[in-house]
Amino acid sequence: AQTVTQSQPEMSVQEAETVTLSCTYDTSESDYYLFWYKQPPSRQMILVIRQEAYKQQNATENRFSVNFQKAAKSFSLKISDSQLGDAAMYFCAYRRGGKSTFGDGTTLTVKP
Amino acid sequence: DAGITQSPRHKVTETGTPVTLRCHQTENHRYMYWYRQDPGHGLRLIHYSYGVKDTDKGEVSDGYSVSRSKTEDFLLTLESATSSQTSVYFCAISESTQETGYQSPTYEQYFGPGTRLTVT
Repeated sequence: AQTVTQSQPEMSVQEAETVTLSCTYDTSESDYYLFWYKQPPSRQMILVIRQEAYKQQNATENRFSVNFQKAAKSFSLKISDSQLGDAAMYFCAYRRGGKSTFGDGTTLTVKP
Repeated sequence: DAGITQSPRHKVTETGTPVTLRCHQTENHRYMYWYRQDPGHGLRLIHYSYGVKDTDKGEVSDGYSVSRSKTEDFLLTLESATSSQTSVYFCAISESTQETGYQSPTYEQYFGPGTRLTVT
């Protein structure tokens, strides 16, 4: 079974600074998707960014970017120019076919 | 926002009683999923459906059953609720694509608002 590990239960960042959230995963497959989701206190799951495993180029969405290292099975999320609204729980997820595996999450605190 | 609703949004029930949670979508998406989320953990897949009457188990399917008789509805049933099933339950949907040469879900999953279930 696939596993997803987020080794940082909590992280904090100063407003306007940059923070990186870590994620590693284990799979024997070569074709899959990776995602970062944001879950604010409202509990709504919000897709932040996705990466297709066959693409070598790292995905970028505005202030959010990833560092995808396929051989190392690493998928970190970088948030630049952090804003107060970025405070939330962040989940890394692996998906292949109909099944997704999520990490246990990282709680991000943004300090004003 | 994708048209996904879950009902009820909150439920308190007693151990041993049956419980059914409903997920309803207005997007006509092929794939539907049920997850549970426990404190300090991410979402864990219970069951998913890849079409009407087509379902498959996820990683935590024991104690749960599902049914999908219509495209828009996916029901999750706890036949005899236990305290270990106290959790927040999320439904999700995704479209299908044949980019890979066969039917598969697209990368995007849209999540419902969640149902908080407490079993006392």
